[in-house]
Amino acid sequence: AQKITQTQPGMFVQEKEAVTLDCTYDTSDQSYGLFWYKQPSSGEMIFLIYQGSYDEQNATEGRYSLNFQKARKSANLVISASQLGDSAMYFCAMREGGGSNYKLTFGKGTLLTVNP
Amino acid sequence: GAGVSQSPRYKVAKRGQDVALRCDPISGHVSLFWYQQALGQGPEFLTYFQNEAQLDKSGLPSDRFFAERPEGSVSTLKIQRTQQEDSAVYLCASSWAALYNEQFFGPGTRLTVL
Repeated sequence: AQKITQTQPGMFVQEKEAVTLDCTYDTSDQSYGLFWYKQPSSGEMIFLIYQGSYDEQNATEGRYSLNFQKARKSANLVISASQLGDSAMYFCAMREGGGSNYKLTFGKGTLLTVNP
Repeated sequence: GAGVSQSPRYKVAKRGQDVALRCDPISGHVSLFWYQQALGQGPEFLTYFQNEAQLDKSGLPSDRFFAERPEGSVSTLKIQRTQQEDSAVYLCASSWAALYNEQFFGPGTRLTVL
């Protein structure tokens, strides 16, 4: 089974509108972390936001927020007020377990296109 | 430089050739990771260093892949006898510590094996 599932290969949004990128995950661990990264055409992965499994509040970072629904095992990224520069691939990732586990497992990504 | 740098940015190799990919992490970062990103996929973990020690190489796809970080800073990923299935983007990332939330990624090296 896929550990990270991103069901939207591509999404389109009008500039200045909000968009939600879906991510569901599969783990039996109680302690885990969820990440979103942005990958522009230049190729560099840019960290956007992090949510810990024990965090009670949804994470927010500027225009990015993470809609964390633990029972549903979903961690959707919400981008508010989209900008043209938001056009990129977006990857959801998970780090399972606590202790010394450091590996990130990524989904296949969603290509977001922001239209003017 | 301020960020993680990788060289070369692009590498074309003939099948059977050996290649070496370099990663310069952010100064002071203890942890260094290598990932492989096939076309249309997310990155997949290859190996992890803490300083000069390679603590995990479980993601290396075969014994043709070898990574080192002899002085705890610059790292090299070497692929011997390259095969077409090795064609991918190889990403390097570094962080202050393994469990530090943010891994800083380099721009990657796109390897094409003909």
